[in-house]
Amino acid sequence: GAVVSQHPSWVICKSGTSVKIECRSLDFQATTMFWYRQFPKQSLMLMATSNEGSKATYEQGVEKDKFLINHASLTLSTLTVTSAHPEDSSFYICSARGMSAGGTDTQYFGPGTRLTVL
Amino acid sequence: QKEVEQNSGPLSVPEGAIASLNCTYSDRGSQSFFWYRQYSGKSPELIMFIYSNGDKEDGRFTAQLNKASQYVSLLIRDSQPSDSATYLCAADTGKLIFGQGTTLQVKP
Repeated sequence: GAVVSQHPSWVICKSGTSVKIECRSLDFQATTMFWYRQFPKQSLMLMATSNEGSKATYEQGVEKDKFLINHASLTLSTLTVTSAHPEDSSFYICSARGMSAGGTDTQYFGPGTRLTVL
Repeated sequence: QKEVEQNSGPLSVPEGAIASLNCTYSDRGSQSFFWYRQYSGKSPELIMFIYSNGDKEDGRFTAQLNKASQYVSLLIRDSQPSDSATYLCAADTGKLIFGQGTTLQVKP
């Protein structure tokens, strides 16, 4: 399957600081990238959808000024958690959608970033 | 409201048995469906997708789709303890709508 990477895999930060998470599709061009958040023992919650070169579409209840998304190219999207607080501690997972080498339109997930805000 | 429903489980099967995971969806506009496996603390891993009515087989996995009944299932043959995980069903409406996942336990 296609490879999606995320960096960093985990981060610990102080309350009030900002954290940037990078998501890259390594072997295909992602027409759309998605950002999810998952709390322990809960399902994936879609935060936002981004297309290359355009503004992200945020799901209801997700603060766009707090979770800044930039989709600079067909292989790179970033999520910045601004002024992070302990309640933002979660598992953030990006997902990239596009045509794989096999010619199928599908969606692959990155390995996730575990954010802990102290 | 667009929903994907799964039984949260846990579904417990003995090693070597067939595990059957089920999923229903409410949006008839959904064109394709995905099954992901998620181990605890890890991100989801794509198992397979299906978009045509009927069965699709890939190794020990068979996905079944019945659009008239709005029903998707995943069968795992010869279940192994390493198959123990949470299985997520997702309907594609332009973005993936996930069910809450079914926890599968395969006992040696």
